Amino acid sequence: DAGVIQSPRHEVTEMGQEVTLRCKPISGHNSLFWYRQTMMRGLELLIYFNNNVPIDDSGMPEDRFSAKMPNASFSTLKIQPSEPRDSAVYFCASRGGGYNEQFFGPGTRLTVL
Amino acid sequence: DAKTTQPTSMDCAEGRAANLPCNHSTISGNEYVYWYRQIHSQGPQYIIHGLKNNETNEMASLIITEDRKSSTLILPHATLRDTAVYYCIVSNRGTGTASKLTFGTGTRLQVTL
Repeated sequence: DAGVIQSPRHEVTEMGQEVTLRCKPISGHNSLFWYRQTMMRGLELLIYFNNNVPIDDSGMPEDRFSAKMPNASFSTLKIQPSEPRDSAVYFCASRGGGYNEQFFGPGTRLTVL
Repeated sequence: DAKTTQPTSMDCAEGRAANLPCNHSTISGNEYVYWYRQIHSQGPQYIIHGLKNNETNEMASLIITEDRKSSTLILPHATLRDTAVYYCIVSNRGTGTASKLTFGTGTRLQVTL
């Protein structure tokens, strides 16, 4: 298996633009997580899905952020409009078993100018 | 999730055992101890987890005290590739709506020649 796949790996955009980050979880995994990592705040959970259903979105910073999981093999995290303070590395992770062993993707480094 | 306390940083000589401590004095009976690590610029990587018994896998050993208020992750023969930030996390088993990981600041392990 190729592991968790994220795209793009790097994104540079201007303030006000829409940004869409994509994630393909490991096949057969039924939970998917979106995290954000910054120097100031560390690694934060934004939202997670079980069987494609959003379970906990309490970490989503504000209405500019939205996440979807239309099927078991694809999820998106959208920021609209983007702001410089959204600059961070965004990680996607998936989990398949009955324990909290999560497999992380390589991350998307987002820079908002 | 219960909180954990880890030293900010540690050094270890290559080839020696690295012993990373973690305090989790408020852990509850159904919570597990998970260890992850994050090598620079990569996504976090699962290492090991345990409930109350000591555990060992190909990467590390986990020693949990009898009262479960603290644990130690042991890398038996540290190499330069083990240089990373190590996170000790207390979480439930991994099922249900509360099954998420809360990452703290971790321990930065530097392995030196």
